Amino acid sequence: NAGVTQTPKFRILKIGQSMTLQCTQDMNHNYMYWYRQDPGMGLKLIYYSVGAGITDKGEVPNGYNVSRSTTEDFPLRLELAAPSQTSVYFCASSYSAGVRVGNEQFFGPGTRLTVL
Amino acid sequence: EDQVTQSPEALRLQEGESSSLNCSYTVSGLRGLFWYRQDPGKGPEFLFTLYSAGEEKEKERLKATLTKKESFLHITAPKPEDSATYLCAVQARGGSGNTGKLIFGQGTTLQVKP
Repeated sequence: NAGVTQTPKFRILKIGQSMTLQCTQDMNHNYMYWYRQDPGMGLKLIYYSVGAGITDKGEVPNGYNVSRSTTEDFPLRLELAAPSQTSVYFCASSYSAGVRVGNEQFFGPGTRLTVL
Repeated sequence: EDQVTQSPEALRLQEGESSSLNCSYTVSGLRGLFWYRQDPGKGPEFLFTLYSAGEEKEKERLKATLTKKESFLHITAPKPEDSATYLCAVQARGGSGNTGKLIFGQGTTLQVKP
């Protein structure tokens, strides 16, 4: 299994441009998450999904959108990029949630985004 | 408000010098506490989940413990390959319980010198 894969690895955007960060998992996990990590700030949840067709906002959703049309894919869309969105973005997935089995999240390698 | 605080922010050890990392948490009700390891330029890697006060889990030189207010990650006789950032996260009961949402601390960066 490849686990959680993310593309691209690096990207530089100009202010006002848009882009989609791709995330795919091959573990048949229902739960998927997008986090951003800023230096010294830990990870903050942007959006999450509990299954195909179901998404909801996390702690810092402004400026982002998501969709979940399949179990495997959970793309993150940035509209009108701003310098404040410069960060490292991680996608994660888990088999279950709220129970004691299979609820650990598996993370992708990340996308490093710079907005200039 | 649910909150997680890790200390120290950074820790330098000599190879073989044991120590502990701290994770203090304030949540409306703890469903689980997670420890992750993160190497530079990579995604977090799962280490442990703890659910109840008094619970302990071990993996090689690492041992995680849990009380009602904090968790410790004990590192015994560390080696240079243990150098990484260690992240603590909590899952709270209530609305986030069935969604798996995690609240992360800011991490402790450990450097082990030979």
